[in-house]
Amino acid sequence: GAVVSQHPSWVICKSGTSVKIECRSLDFQATTMFWYRQFPKQSLMLMATSNEGSKATYEQGVEKDKFLINHASLTLSTLTVTSAHPEDSSFYICSAPGLAGSTRTPTSYNEQFFGPGTRLTVL
Amino acid sequence: AQSVAQPEDQVNVAEGNPLTVKCTYSVSGNPYLFWYVQYPNRGLQFLLKYITGDNLVKGSYGFEAEFNKSQTSFHLKKPSALVSDSALYFCAVRDRGYSTLTFGKGTMLLVSP
Repeated sequence: GAVVSQHPSWVICKSGTSVKIECRSLDFQATTMFWYRQFPKQSLMLMATSNEGSKATYEQGVEKDKFLINHASLTLSTLTVTSAHPEDSSFYICSAPGLAGSTRTPTSYNEQFFGPGTRLTVL
Repeated sequence: AQSVAQPEDQVNVAEGNPLTVKCTYSVSGNPYLFWYVQYPNRGLQFLLKYITGDNLVKGSYGFEAEFNKSQTSFHLKKPSALVSDSALYFCAVRDRGYSTLTFGKGTMLLVSP
């Protein structure tokens, strides 16, 4: 299946600093990527949809200025947590719909391929 | 709107016994249904999906799920559980008209030796 990577896999930062998380589709192009947040023992909550070449679409209740998303290319989306606070500590997961080896725009049959996640701890 | 319910927070089963993890869904149209597994501090791994066709779907690691339209259910099953199956399992649904997945809250499966 298609591979999605995330970097870093874990990060510890001080309160007030900004942290950038990268999500890459390694063997396929993704015009769309999704960013999720997962609290311990809870489900994944969709934060935003990252769109290549246009602004991200944020879910209700997600602060756009707090969680900056940039879809720089067809294989890279970044999530920057600005002025991080301890309550931002969480597991962040990205995903991309696609067909392995395909450059086509995803169809409704496509799976979502998930990155391994990034554990953010804000002290 | 689309939603998923996983009524059990945790399922306990002895190794070698059959297991079932329950999932019901709600969508306005025809659903795409998925099961994912998550191991500690890891991302989600795809197990299986229902798109169309046979109601019984076979997936990775011996798992299968049965799509039941009348009961709006998509329960995950395995005939003989392994200790290594212990993990967090998520059911997810997507209406065919939308690109985003909605996840259930997850069910922790614990398989005892």
